[in-house]
Amino acid sequence: NAGVTQTPKFRILKIGQSMTLQCTQDMNHNYMYWYRQDPGMGLKLIYYSVGAGITDKGEVPNGYNVSRSTTEDFPLRLELAAPSQTSVYFCASSYSKGRQETQYFGPGTRLLVL
Amino acid sequence: GQSLEQPSEVTAVEGAIVQINCTYQTSGFYGLSWYQQHDGGAPTFLSYNALDGLEETGRFSSFLSRSDSYGYLLLQELQMKDSASYFCAVRVMNRDDKIIFGKGTRLHILP
Repeated sequence: NAGVTQTPKFRILKIGQSMTLQCTQDMNHNYMYWYRQDPGMGLKLIYYSVGAGITDKGEVPNGYNVSRSTTEDFPLRLELAAPSQTSVYFCASSYSKGRQETQYFGPGTRLLVL
Repeated sequence: GQSLEQPSEVTAVEGAIVQINCTYQTSGFYGLSWYQQHDGGAPTFLSYNALDGLEETGRFSSFLSRSDSYGYLLLQELQMKDSASYFCAVRVMNRDDKIIFGKGTRLHILP
């Protein structure tokens, strides 16, 4: 199993540009999450999904959108990039509600908005 | 609101034992997890406590006291490779069902 994969690994955006961060998991997990981590800080939940077709906002959803059309994929969309969105973005997944406490993380996407 | 407090940095000597504390204030608490993150890497799961008491996994142990809203991660026989950041995370179940992370504790290990 590849686990959780994210693309791209690194990206530079200009203010106002848009992009999609890709996340795929091959473990048949129903829960998936997007976090951002600013330097020296913890993880902040952006959006999460409890299954295909279902998404919900986390702590910091403004400026982002998600979709979950399949169990495997959970892309994160930035529509109008802003410098405040410079961060490292982690996607994670977990098996089921009963074991949600064990999250498997992707390697991260480093985003710089200039 | 929800909050987790843990020390920002801890320093210990190779071969020693270190304890990283975490206190939390949440609604609908369900369990406490610990994650390790090396510089430039992704967080990896270490342990989970849903009930009071000590859980042991090799050199790492985790403790929870629900009545005190407190837990800790204990690392024994410290190795240089244990130098990393450690995050406590709380699973909350109220209107939502999700995990909230603390800001992390940077562990420095001296030879």
